[in-house]
Amino acid sequence: EIVLTQSPGTLSLSPGERATLSCRASQSVSSSYLAWYQQKPGQAPRLLIYGASSRATGIPDRFSGSGSGTDFTLTISRLEPEDFAVYYCQQYGSSAYTFGQGTKLEIK
Amino acid sequence: QVQLQESGPGLVKPSQTLSLTCTVSGGSISSGSYYWSWIRQPAGKGLEWIGRIYTSGSTNYNPSLKSRVTISVDTSKNQFSLKLSSVTAADTAVYYCARDAMVRGASLYYYYMDVWGKGTTVTVSS
Repeated sequence: EIVLTQSPGTLSLSPGERATLSCRASQSVSSSYLAWYQQKPGQAPRLLIYGASSRATGIPDRFSGSGSGTDFTLTISRLEPEDFAVYYCQQYGSSAYTFGQGTKLEIK
Repeated sequence: QVQLQESGPGLVKPSQTLSLTCTVSGGSISSGSYYWSWIRQPAGKGLEWIGRIYTSGSTNYNPSLKSRVTISVDTSKNQFSLKLSSVTAADTAVYYCARDAMVRGASLYYYYMDVWGKGTTVTVSS
């Protein structure tokens, strides 16, 4: 099973700042199988990025994804108040999915 | 657009079987290249994928839960279901159903969950 490790566990930033979230895999992941989700309290996760770098429908262009192999990054260029949430990376492999443990993005 | 809604008992006794149904509206469960997944989230914790089903009936399960999980589909009702047997308090969680897209790109397949239900809370307690 591929284990995804997200860092940092919590990221404290102010609106307008740039956020960089990391997702590291225990073994190489196909970029097309790597996705990012945003989850706000009491809500279901929302797809942000698929294929490591493709934005899902309706996702603002301040969200971007990059990376390959075992290291992937979600970047939010200028934080808006509604971006403070928990973010999860997810990978598909061997007919199964695994999620990272999440990064909480909180207002500083 | 496609919407998903989970339903089922909110309270299950230890050692019994948890049963949930996900109803798909706004589109046919049989259309397109979609699997249909179940995911759960204990309070204050992360997401755990449980398993998925294709409308052909083909299934994939999380190896850690495989011995206790059965996912089935009823295309006539536009629904898919989860059964988790021999539950314990550790199975207490919010359970989500999701559309699991398998999209063909230029030379690759993409896999991701693009539509989610709102989730339903299941508590395992006597």
